[in-house]
Amino acid sequence: RKEVEQDPGPFNVPEGATVAFNCTYSNSASQSFFWYRQDCRKEPKLLMSVYSSGNEDGRFTAQLNRASQYISLLIRDSKLSDSATYLCVMTGGYNKLIFGAGTRLAVHP
Amino acid sequence: SQTIHQWPATLVQPVGSPLSLECTVEGTSNPNLYWYRQAAGRGLQLLFYSVGIGQISSEVPQNLSASRPQDRQFILSSKKLLLSDSGFYLCALDRSTGELFFGEGSRLTVL
Repeated sequence: RKEVEQDPGPFNVPEGATVAFNCTYSNSASQSFFWYRQDCRKEPKLLMSVYSSGNEDGRFTAQLNRASQYISLLIRDSKLSDSATYLCVMTGGYNKLIFGAGTRLAVHP
Repeated sequence: SQTIHQWPATLVQPVGSPLSLECTVEGTSNPNLYWYRQAAGRGLQLLFYSVGIGQISSEVPQNLSASRPQDRQFILSSKKLLLSDSGFYLCALDRSTGELFFGEGSRLTVL
């Protein structure tokens, strides 16, 4: 089983739609969780951290379910500029982050 | 503010040729530095990390090596490239928040 699993997509959604991604992980000892965004042929950039109580940043909501070992990202009112690959990331040990392969989102007019 | 410079940005190399990718950081001292590789359609794979000058930890056995000759310089090398070494190489440092901050990457194609 992979340490981090994501649906590769692509998720094709119209502008204004709400879309959700899930990510499952196998290491129950992971302490910190993040969502990164990666545009085509660019470096990943931090989108938001994920807290146990859930957290929101504008149109983005992230949640963590430790019991079922998954995290989620919800995007409301999708914009064309949201088109990107979203990477699920978590700590995997001393000084290490483990990255999922990403879920591709394509928002169309 | 912290910045990461990677070069070259793009390179095409024949199988069996050597490789040297450089990463320098600014705006911080004694950072933890990382080399990741992203193959087409794959997740980021941690190759090396360094907590200080001359201190390198290798994550996967391979024909690549890394060195940290100065506090803000991290170099990825190979003596003989393989086809499977093709990919997007990213240098990163970690911030106090736990975030990894990446350079713009070096895209390597081995032919």
